[in-house]
Parts: sequence; structure tokens; C-alpha cells
Amino acid sequence: EDKVVQSPLSLVVHEGDTVTLNCSYEVTNFRSLLWYKQEKKAPTFLFMLTSSGIEKKSGRLSSILDKKELFSILNITATQTGDSAVYLCAVRAGGTSYGKLTFGQGTILTVHP
Amino acid sequence: DAGITQSPRHKVTETGTPVTLRCHQTENHRYMYWYRQDPGHGLRLIHYSYGVKDTDKGEVSDGYSVSRSKTEDFLLTLESATSSQTSVYFCAISPQRNTAYEQYFGPGTRLTVT
Repeated sequence: EDKVVQSPLSLVVHEGDTVTLNCSYEVTNFRSLLWYKQEKKAPTFLFMLTSSGIEKKSGRLSSILDKKELFSILNITATQTGDSAVYLCAVRAGGTSYGKLTFGQGTILTVHP
Repeated sequence: DAGITQSPRHKVTETGTPVTLRCHQTENHRYMYWYRQDPGHGLRLIHYSYGVKDTDKGEVSDGYSVSRSKTEDFLLTLESATSSQTSVYFCAISPQRNTAYEQYFGPGTRLTVT
């Protein structure tokens, strides 16, 4: 059974802090790992990583994948109150999975002014 | 905006009644998915579709059925709703660019079973 575990489950920081969110996984025939941000609505897509060691960046957010150690991290620098959200990690297995994703339980990030 | 709508957006129903949720997409994507989201569980896959009339079960499919008679519509049916099916339901599509399978989510349906 595919498994995705995120840590910490919740995190409270102040504006300007840097945070690191973790995602570890056990997946048969790994193909990709995805990060989503969820405010009080639908999850929005952030990054997809397929190759180990390659960093994906978008503004203050960046993510890297370690396929050997089976984890990924999501970094947010200079946090803002608008970064407050649930961050979800998901993995996709290969084979005839038709793109099915297995999600972690999410990390709740709260950024105080 | 991935061109996904869900209806209804909110519904309250009684235990034992049938309920159908609709997901509609405007961009002709082949792959569609239904998830439920509950506190402490993240998103869990209920059913998915890889084409018209081609569907399969996800990890929490008991008590649910789906149908896809047209590319643009994916219906989720609770044959006899139970209180344990109170949840937020999200539909997702996958554009499948090359070998990529990132998914984009609809706005969600909040279902309460009393």
C-alpha cells in the first residue's frame, strides 16, 4: 500500500521566518511527487518533481526531491500571512495507475504578522 | 482555472437518501477523479475515470458509484447516504501533458448527511 507522511502536522511562525515542510513516501514504482497549497477552498497546484536533486522554484517557494532517501522538502522563505494554508504532498506511482495520487495528511502552516 | 465546475456546491440530505454529485469540465481532458477530504485524512481517492465509460475504484470506494457517459461529465452517486459520508468532495482532472499527470481540482461540494 502506498503511503505518504508529512511533518510537522502544524507549524506556527511569524512573518519573515523561513519554514521547511517535509514529505516522506513509500510508493511502488514511484513516478512523481506533487505539492499543493490549500486555503479555505480547493487545493492549488504548486510543483511537480520527478527527478532527484532538481530544485523547483517559484518566487519564495522552492522544493527538492531525494529519490534515494524517499522524501521531499518544501521551503518557504520570508513568509507572509498569505502563506497561511494547508500544504499537501502527493505521490504518483507508475504502471496502470492512470495518474492516481496518494496524498499525505497535510501540514497546517499559520503565519502571524 | 482548469475549467472545472461542481454541483451542487452545498447539500444537506438525510440518511438513506440517494445523492448525485456532478463534475463538469470544459477542456476535454481524459482523466477525471473524485476525492473526499476529511479532517486528519487528507484527500482520499474514491473513484477515477480514464475515458468515457472507463472507471475504476480508488481506496475508499465502498458506498459510492460513478458514471461517465460523456467526456465532460463525471458523476458520483451515493446510493444510500450515511452519516460517515459527510465530507467535502473534490473532483479533479489531469491534462496528461507528455507523461506528466498533475491534477487540478474543482471548487468542491460540501455534503452533510443528517
